[in-house]
Amino acid sequence: DVKVTQSSRYLVKRTGEKVFLECVQDMDHENMFWYRQDPGLGLRLIYFSYDVKMKEKGDIPEGYSVSREKKERFSLILESASTNQTSMYLCASSLGFTQYFGPGTRLTVT
Amino acid sequence: AQTVTQSQPEMSVQEAETVTLSCTYDTSENNYYLFWYKQPPSRQMILVIRQEAYKQQNATENRFSVNFQKAAKSFSLKISDSQLGDTAMYFCAFMLVNYGGATNKLIFGTGTLLAVQP
Repeated sequence: DVKVTQSSRYLVKRTGEKVFLECVQDMDHENMFWYRQDPGLGLRLIYFSYDVKMKEKGDIPEGYSVSREKKERFSLILESASTNQTSMYLCASSLGFTQYFGPGTRLTVT
Repeated sequence: AQTVTQSQPEMSVQEAETVTLSCTYDTSENNYYLFWYKQPPSRQMILVIRQEAYKQQNATENRFSVNFQKAAKSFSLKISDSQLGDTAMYFCAFMLVNYGGATNKLIFGTGTLLAVQP
C-alpha cells in the first residue's frame, strides 16, 4: 500500500525560527511535491522535485527552500518563519499522473 | 495559464441521496488529465477519480462518476447513494500532460465542503 508520511501533524514555531518539515515516501517515486493549503485558496504548489538533488519552484516559493538528498525524502525549509506562513502543509509523491498525499502538517507561527 | 474553479464552497446532501459537485477549468491545451480528490476531516487526501481528456467516455468508480464536457470545460462529480463517510472536502484538479520529461503539476480548485446528513 502506498505510504507518504510527514514528520509532524502539528507544529508551533516562533517568528524568525528556522523550520524543517520532513516528508518520506516508501514507493520509490521519482516526483515529490510540497503544497500549502489555506481556506478559500485550495492547494498551492510551493516546490517540487523530479529526482534526487533536483528541484523546481512552484507557484509560491518565496520564503521557502527544499532539499532532496535521498529519493524517499523531501524536506521543506522555512528559513525564517513568519506569521503569514501559518498554514497546513501537504507533501505528495507520484509516479505517473496520480499523486499520493501525506497526512499534512499544521504549522502555526506565533 | 490554467485555472480551476469550484463555485460551490459548501454543499449538503441527505444520506442515500445523489449529489453533484461542479468544476470548471480553463486551458488552451488539448492534452490533460482531470481529477477529483477527497479530503476527509483530519485525514489524508485521496484520489477519487481521474479522467483523461482524450477519452470521451466518462470515468466511473463505484458510486462516483464524472460528467466530462470538454467543449464546455466542465468536469462535475456525481456521488450516488451518499454515505456518511463521504463527508469531506472535495477538490477538483487539472494536470497538463507533458511527455517532454518535465514533472506533471496539479492545479487545484478551492474545494467544496460536502456534508452528508443522516
